[in-house]
Amino acid sequence: EVQLVESGGGLVQPGGSVRLSCVASGFTFTDYWMHWVRQAPGKGLVWVSRVKTDGSFTSYADSVKGRFSISRDNAKNTVYLEMNSLRAEDTAVYYCVRVTSWGGDYWGQGTLVSVSS
Amino acid sequence: QSALTQPPSASGSPGQSVTISCTGTSSDVGNYNFVSWYQQHPGKAPKLMIYEVNKRPSGVPDRFSGSKSGNTASLTVSGLQAEDEADYYCSSYSRSNDFGVFGTGTKVTVL
Repeated sequence: EVQLVESGGGLVQPGGSVRLSCVASGFTFTDYWMHWVRQAPGKGLVWVSRVKTDGSFTSYADSVKGRFSISRDNAKNTVYLEMNSLRAEDTAVYYCVRVTSWGGDYWGQGTLVSVSS
Repeated sequence: QSALTQPPSASGSPGQSVTISCTGTSSDVGNYNFVSWYQQHPGKAPKLMIYEVNKRPSGVPDRFSGSKSGNTASLTVSGLQAEDEADYYCSSYSRSNDFGVFGTGTKVTVL
């Protein structure tokens, strides 16, 4: 059974940092690009970042470019999202997503990041 | 990158069909078959319903179908059931920023 389990969310002050983790199981992790998608309270979905199968390529939404960093550890079947210089508008549920052909076929349960003083 | 355009709401009675549109541009929907559709119930993670315009993942009922014409993709739900009441989002790859873009979302109500 494919599972994606996120962790690391919580309350953080504006300008602060947080690292999200997503542990994958039930599939060959190295066969898939992994993405992060976020959803602000009551709002729609937004692609945030993606990392290639071997970690050699990453890309980001313009809104987080230069502040967020995605990485993966294939030995631990884990993908990370390092989030720096956080703003109130980064408040959202962050989902870890397994993606093929830009279709997210498995999603984690999500982890809430709240940016507030 | 602007979000793809979806109608805010759609509705139908049980057993009827509802079609949701998703309008983009030639930089995304119009020139790429990387269009997918997601169903999201309140408080839950999204679920993939359609990928690559018209393919259904295993386990998704064949009541759900996808299509595309020009810059507009569509999701049709036939034989509406109470459990189909949810938010639906489309998504596409976009070459304008070599990234993905979601639609604005459509709330489907089963009357």
